[in-house]
Amino acid sequence: DGGITQSPKYLFRKEGQNVTLSCEQNLNHDAMYWYRQDPGQGLRLIYYSQIVNDFQKGDIAEGYSVSREKKESFPLTVTSAQKNPTAFYLCATEGLRDTKNYGYTFGSGTRLTVV
Amino acid sequence: GEDVEQSLFLSVREGDSSVINCTYTDSSSTYLYWYKQEPGAGLQLLTYIFSNMDMKQDQRLTVLLNKKDKHLSLRIADTQTGDSAIYFCAESLNDYKLSFGAGTTVTVRA
Repeated sequence: DGGITQSPKYLFRKEGQNVTLSCEQNLNHDAMYWYRQDPGQGLRLIYYSQIVNDFQKGDIAEGYSVSREKKESFPLTVTSAQKNPTAFYLCATEGLRDTKNYGYTFGSGTRLTVV
Repeated sequence: GEDVEQSLFLSVREGDSSVINCTYTDSSSTYLYWYKQEPGAGLQLLTYIFSNMDMKQDQRLTVLLNKKDKHLSLRIADTQTGDSAIYFCAESLNDYKLSFGAGTTVTVRA
């Protein structure tokens, strides 16, 4: 059963702490994305990766870091430099468009709350 | 800022048709998408349309594209309570990224 697994579903972070959100996929998709969702603001792109060992900053990369050591995995670290990290984080993947696999596939999300 | 704009809320009576509108700005977008998000969940791809098409129908869903006005709409026929969700319009950008609207919250009332 192919899909994307995001974990944990809920995460609580103390101020000054780094936390890592997991995203694992078994769809054999090349591209992976991290989005942040805030109420009424839609989705904003944090980082994306189109190939292993390569990734690019999105629109709001400050305070976040990623790695792409394996095709299946694209973890997101929320660092202490991110001043307002409370949000819903979504991971997405996309296969090659010439395979007619259009659009992103999304995980079920991680809700991060600063306490 | 967002390049894709949508109205934020839509209320519709059960059994009526819902129409969600979206405008986009990148005339070179080749694909336009509609996604659905239920509470606490990720986004689910509902449908997509190529920029060289005017209309696409898929069961209760009809997508209309006016490329001249950069206007996209999603019509849901016979709206049901299970259609209550947030609907996102998205356009593809040249570098394989998608730009999303803020989402339209659809509430279906009995």
